[in-house]
Amino acid sequence: EAGVVQSPRYKIIEKKQPVAFWCNPISGHNTLYWYRQNLGQGPELLIRYENEEAVDDSQLPKDRFSAERLKGVDSTLKIQPAELGDSAVYLCASSYVRDEQYFGPGTRLTVT
Amino acid sequence: TQLLEQSPQFLSIQEGENLTVYCNSSSVFSSLQWYRQEPGEGPVLLVTVVTGGEVKKLKRLTFQFGDARKDSSLHITAAQTGDTGLYLCAGFMEYGNKLVFGAGTILRVKS
Repeated sequence: EAGVVQSPRYKIIEKKQPVAFWCNPISGHNTLYWYRQNLGQGPELLIRYENEEAVDDSQLPKDRFSAERLKGVDSTLKIQPAELGDSAVYLCASSYVRDEQYFGPGTRLTVT
Repeated sequence: TQLLEQSPQFLSIQEGENLTVYCNSSSVFSSLQWYRQEPGEGPVLLVTVVTGGEVKKLKRLTFQFGDARKDSSLHITAAQTGDTGLYLCAGFMEYGNKLVFGAGTILRVKS
């Protein structure tokens, strides 16, 4: 069974530029999560989707971050414009059972 | 302030030694997970514990959930170099229906 797929794996951009991350969850997993992991910290939830619906986006900085999950399968997370403090690893996860999440390899974002 | 406190933050031991890492909180969780993360990869789920006092064994790894479901421990017997990685605990909160992670314990096992 294929795991959670994310792309790109690495991205380096200058501040104020836009960036987008893509995630394809495990087949059959209706719940999809985007997390941000700063160096030396655990992942922090940005947004959770149940099918196409964003059911928890309370931690998403909505002035510059946006996400979508069209058709309830893959998802895109966008930052526009990026700031230096956005440098982190962005992880996508999916689940069938709510408390057992399966993570992708992440996208390491560096903003210069 | 982290909702889940993990200790120690960093542990460096020789191959063959035993170790225990801890995950503590003042909050009650309906379940608790342990993940292992290697550099450049996402966390990989090791185990889920649900019942207070529950003990689960996975080869050389023993996981325990506290009676009050506020804390957990991970014990590794006879550590191997392949155990090296970041160990994360995560508690599932019914309120908000979300998983909350600790900051992790970095384990380095030297040969």
